[in-house]
Amino acid sequence: NAGVTQTPKFQVLKTGQSMTLQCAQDMNHEYMSWYRQDPGMGLRLIHYSVGAGITDQGEVPNGYNVSRSTTEDFPLRLLSAAPSQTSVYFCASSPRPGGGTGELFFGEGSRLTVL
Amino acid sequence: GQQLNQSPQSMFIQEGEDVSMNCTSSSIFNTWLWYKQDPGEGPVLLIALYKAGELTSNGRLTAQFGITRKDSFLNISASIPSDVGIYFCAGLYGGSQGNLIFGKGTKLSVKP
Repeated sequence: NAGVTQTPKFQVLKTGQSMTLQCAQDMNHEYMSWYRQDPGMGLRLIHYSVGAGITDQGEVPNGYNVSRSTTEDFPLRLLSAAPSQTSVYFCASSPRPGGGTGELFFGEGSRLTVL
Repeated sequence: GQQLNQSPQSMFIQEGEDVSMNCTSSSIFNTWLWYKQDPGEGPVLLIALYKAGELTSNGRLTAQFGITRKDSFLNISASIPSDVGIYFCAGLYGGSQGNLIFGKGTKLSVKP
């Protein structure tokens, strides 16, 4: 059972570079989301999607883009990386539209450092 | 936006001791959940609570949905070294559009 798969696990970028964090789930979940985790800040929602073709902003969306062309994939794009985007990023999915009862399944995380 | 106040921020305990942590909010929540994050991993759901007053156990873990619907607590009995990690409370409220709001976490360290 793969569950939620994130790649890469580690990445170092220079300021201004762009990159895409990949997220794929094989559970046919409608809801997918991206969170960032910073020390002492908990998990903060960046973007979410309630189904293919539908995305919306979370609490901290600036500097990030997402798209949802298939049910399985939900990539997160950093257009011009900044040091403030150094963080651990988690992709999560849920079987119920709109997140439902909140039972999220998380990937293992992608640790990003921006120099 | 809505915030969850989770305490304590960190705990250092001896193996075998009981642990208690809690989460409070200024608004009413419809669902409370507790997650655990092992080092280098993503959070994993421990317990989900859906009704005010609900008390639910999962092995040595017990969690309760507060009567006021503005708080929840998690107890761990007879702690063991593998309980080490970060525990997050999370919740859904009327205006959250189905998105989970997370507390800042309680980091638990257990001395063998």
